[in-house]
Amino acid sequence: DAGVIQSPRHEVTEMGQEVTLRCKPISGHNSLFWYRQTMMRGLELLIYFNNNVPIDDSGMPEDRFSAKMPNASFSTLKIQPSEPRDSAVYFCASSFNGDRTFTGNQPQHFGDGTRLSIL
Amino acid sequence: DQQVKQNSPSLSVQEGRISILNCDYTNSMFDYFLWYKKYPAEGPTFLISISSIKDKNEDGRFTVFLNKSAKHLSLHIVPSQPGDSAVYFCAASVGYNFNKFYFGSGTKLNVKP
Repeated sequence: DAGVIQSPRHEVTEMGQEVTLRCKPISGHNSLFWYRQTMMRGLELLIYFNNNVPIDDSGMPEDRFSAKMPNASFSTLKIQPSEPRDSAVYFCASSFNGDRTFTGNQPQHFGDGTRLSIL
Repeated sequence: DQQVKQNSPSLSVQEGRISILNCDYTNSMFDYFLWYKKYPAEGPTFLISISSIKDKNEDGRFTVFLNKSAKHLSLHIVPSQPGDSAVYFCAASVGYNFNKFYFGSGTKLNVKP
């Protein structure tokens, strides 16, 4: 079974350019998460979706960051304009979230990340 | 404010010995905890979990202990193997919450042959 697929694996671009990161979650999963990993802060949750609807974007650092999930099999994280301090590894993760009768949470499955370098 | 903390950025252990990775949390409402393992250039992968109704969960060489009164959990690896060298993240969640987890900053484990 295919896991979470992220593209590109590496992105190097100049400051001020628009950057778009892509994610394909595991088929059947209905929760999707975007994280950023840095040395200083570890894994930071940026935003997450449930059934394609953004639930909490309080982790998005600035208005330069935006995320969309137009359908159950695709999500994007966009940075416009990009800055050197945005350099990090960005992970997408997905999981299956049951209905309200389900009383526990399920582990997330992560993609291999996009290493972003802004020069 | 980080609700899940891993205060040791790194740990070095000899092959065959026990590795103990620690994690502290501040939110007493957390009721489900996970450990993830991450190799370089890969995403984190789920390793083991524990519910707050238990104080121990074991899976092969990996055991997670939960001390709710101290708001502390630990991961024991016995015996440690060089292939266990990776970054380990602990994570916690509250009730039914769309599978949202709060992650620690990670501990890099190095198991020396």
